[in-house]
Amino acid sequence: DAGVTQSPTHLIKTRGQQVTLRCSPKSGHDTVSWYQQALGQGPQFIFQYYEEEERQRGNFPDRFSGHQFPNYSSELNVNALLLGDSALYLCASSLQGEPYQETQYFGPGTRLLVL
Amino acid sequence: LAKTTQPISMDSYEGQEVNITCSHNNIATNDYITWYQQFPSQGPRFIIQGYKTKVTNEVASLFIPADRKSSTLSLPRVSLSDTAVYYCLVGDIGMGFYGGATNKLIFGTGTLLAVQP
Repeated sequence: DAGVTQSPTHLIKTRGQQVTLRCSPKSGHDTVSWYQQALGQGPQFIFQYYEEEERQRGNFPDRFSGHQFPNYSSELNVNALLLGDSALYLCASSLQGEPYQETQYFGPGTRLLVL
Repeated sequence: LAKTTQPISMDSYEGQEVNITCSHNNIATNDYITWYQQFPSQGPRFIIQGYKTKVTNEVASLFIPADRKSSTLSLPRVSLSDTAVYYCLVGDIGMGFYGGATNKLIFGTGTLLAVQP
């Protein structure tokens, strides 16, 4: 049973560039959430996708956008990168209808460095 | 969502029991208390969740007093591999647009537990 996978594991970009991060949810899950974790901080919620639509959004600018595909995998896109976007980006999957918070499974993350 | 307060860091030795307390004075009636563990450069991992009294699983115990304004995560006989950041989260189940759970998690800064030999 495959867990949550993310690609790439590491990425280096320069200011102003655009980046796309990818996530495949745990087998059987249909909901994907994205989090940003800066060094020394807890993860911050970016947005959540279900049925190929954005369901909830955290306090992040429109430069952050996403997409969910029919197979439930998801992409996170960040445009016009800033130095402050350097962080670990985490993807978490869950199954709608499961009411308890423990059903969020996190991937290993993508480490993004913006120079 | 209720705000949580945890110690920034704790030190322990192998074989000891570790108790990490989390304060959540504004917890609401529908709120559950959940603890996650995170190792460096890895995603958080669910440890335990509870609503009141005591919950125990194969990894930890969670103690919640009657007023639910605080909770204590108890890790029995810690080892070096328990060195990690532990997050206390408080929130309700949440209902999405279509009636399903939204599972939005709000993390604080967590407690860095350092276990020494």
